[in-house]
Amino acid sequence: KAGVTQTPRYLIKTRGQQVTLSCSPISGHRSVSWYQQTPGQGLQFLFEYFSETQRNKGNFPGRFSGRQFSNSRSEMNVSTLELGDSALYLCASSGTSGRVGDEQFFGPGTRLTVL
Amino acid sequence: QKEVEQDPGPLSVPEGAIVSLNCTYSNSAFQYFMWYRQYSRKGPELLMYTYSSGNKEDGRFTAQVDKSSKYISLFIRDSQPSDSATYLCAMSGPGSARQLTFGSGTQLTVLP
Repeated sequence: KAGVTQTPRYLIKTRGQQVTLSCSPISGHRSVSWYQQTPGQGLQFLFEYFSETQRNKGNFPGRFSGRQFSNSRSEMNVSTLELGDSALYLCASSGTSGRVGDEQFFGPGTRLTVL
Repeated sequence: QKEVEQDPGPLSVPEGAIVSLNCTYSNSAFQYFMWYRQYSRKGPELLMYTYSSGNKEDGRFTAQVDKSSKYISLFIRDSQPSDSATYLCAMSGPGSARQLTFGSGTQLTVLP
């Protein structure tokens, strides 16, 4: 079974631009969560989508948004990029049941550099 | 104070050693506890998953959860150079959907 895929793997943008990242979960999984990983703050939760609905959101500004499609693929968007948005953005896929305790499996991440 | 505290290391051990990695947490609502391994420039890989208190063993890895002390551990027996990575503890609770709260990670190097 194929794992979680994320595209693109690397991105370079300049301040003020916007960016869209894509995540395809494991086949059959209906939940997608997004995390930001930086050396200073570690891994921080951005938001979770289940069956096209945002179920939970972390403490990030409104410039960070996401959506999920009917095939469970998800995108996240960051508008008006800032230098501090440079990070590894990770997508995690989990279960078919919707249970809180389902295991989460991570993709390889998209490394975003903002210049 | 962070919700999850993890010694960042770095930790360096000789091949074959037993490695002990630990996290403490403050939120008593956490019920699900995980350990992830992350190699440089890769995504985290799920190693161990436990619910509530107790022990779980999988090959060379043993995870322990002590909810009364708010303390979790990962033991690696017969450590190998291929175990060199950053180890992240993560946890979640009933009121937080799938929002995982992570420790800062411990960087482990196993020397041949």
